[in-house]
Amino acid sequence: GAVVSQHPSWVICKSGTSVKIECRSLDFQATTMFWYRQFPKQSLMLMATSNEGSKATYEQGVEKDKFLINHASLTLSTLTVTSAHPEDSSFYICSAGGQGAWETQYFGPGTRLLVL
Amino acid sequence: RKEVEQDPGPFNVPEGATVAFNCTYSNSASQSFFWYRQDCRKEPKLLMSVYSSGNEDGRFTAQLNRASQYISLLIRDSKLSDSATYLCVVNVLGGYQKVTFGTGTKLQVIP
Repeated sequence: GAVVSQHPSWVICKSGTSVKIECRSLDFQATTMFWYRQFPKQSLMLMATSNEGSKATYEQGVEKDKFLINHASLTLSTLTVTSAHPEDSSFYICSAGGQGAWETQYFGPGTRLLVL
Repeated sequence: RKEVEQDPGPFNVPEGATVAFNCTYSNSASQSFFWYRQDCRKEPKLLMSVYSSGNEDGRFTAQLNRASQYISLLIRDSKLSDSATYLCVVNVLGGYQKVTFGTGTKLQVIP
């Protein structure tokens, strides 16, 4: 199956730091990637849809100035958590897949962010 | 009302038991449906797609009822390795693709 990678897998940082997370589709091109956040014992929550060559589409309640998304190529999307605070500590996962309704979404392994 | 709803469980079942999960969705324009499995502290992985005609993969059977807007997953002869959280996923294609996850149902298979 298709492979999606994320980097880094773990981040521990001080409050106020900005953190960049990369999501790469390794063996296919993805015009659309999705970013999710998952707090402990809670479900995946879609944060935004990342579109190659255009602005990301953010879900209601997600601050676009706080979570900057850049989808500069067909294989790379980045999520930058700006001025991270302890409440931003979470498991961030990206996914990528085809555009068709029945296309499988392939998930990256996730990035665990801990803000001290 | 949440777009996709599941009973969070946990469902604690003995090995060999049959267990069923249901999921309801609110958007009648939803076009495709999936069950994903998520192991603790791991990313979700596709278990199976759910087609209108229903589909079966080994011990797993998925069904879709569009009229009532629900999806089901049946696991027969449960194994210890089936212990995980099962996520119902609904896909809507409009101006852009939107994938919505249910909260997940936790299954614990007990020896």
